[in-house]
Amino acid sequence: AQSVTQLGSHVSVSEGALVLLRCNYSSSVPPYLFWYVQYPNQGLQLLLKYTSAATLVKGINGFEAEFKKSETSFHLTKPSAHMSDAAEYFCAVSEKGSSYKLIFGSGTRLLVRP
Amino acid sequence: EPEVTQTPSHQVTQMGQEVILRCVPISNHLYFYWYRQILGQKVEFLVSFYNNEISEKSEIFDDQFSVERPDGSNFTLKIRSTKLEDSAMYFCASSELRGGNEQFFGPGTRLTVL
Repeated sequence: AQSVTQLGSHVSVSEGALVLLRCNYSSSVPPYLFWYVQYPNQGLQLLLKYTSAATLVKGINGFEAEFKKSETSFHLTKPSAHMSDAAEYFCAVSEKGSSYKLIFGSGTRLLVRP
Repeated sequence: EPEVTQTPSHQVTQMGQEVILRCVPISNHLYFYWYRQILGQKVEFLVSFYNNEISEKSEIFDDQFSVERPDGSNFTLKIRSTKLEDSAMYFCASSELRGGNEQFFGPGTRLTVL
């Protein structure tokens, strides 16, 4: 069965510092991988996705993620955090199948200190 | 920009009552999903819907749950007899295609069962 593990329920960085949010997945076949962001009282917004093309994926708001098959990882990074990046971030996997449902990790809340 | 909408934003009901959560997916999308997020927990898949039938459902989606696309625009989730443990945020999502195609999420309906 597919699963997604996000290390660290809370990550705190200073404004301008590197953001690194970790995601590891388990899947029996090459998956599709996604990062979604959730701002308070809002729905989930796609940041970026990996669909078996380039392993380094660039998304919105300066975020990027690298698919590493050998490590079964899809960590999210941003070189310089901004106050507006404070939100909850969810990694998700979708495996080829009947409906391509999303399996989410437990989420990481990013706090950005001024 | 097209978006998924959900009504109501908040729903409070008594245990044992029926509730219907409504969603309007993006108009040219073909695949529809319901997810839920219990407070403090991860987002969980409930059901996927395509071509007027359920394509996949989770263990959570028991006989108390049903989905329907009554017309060309609405997509509804019905809970026949609500339980306390049904209290959660319910998200509707839609996508144009399956696979690596992005699922667009609505803002959610917060259901509180008393």
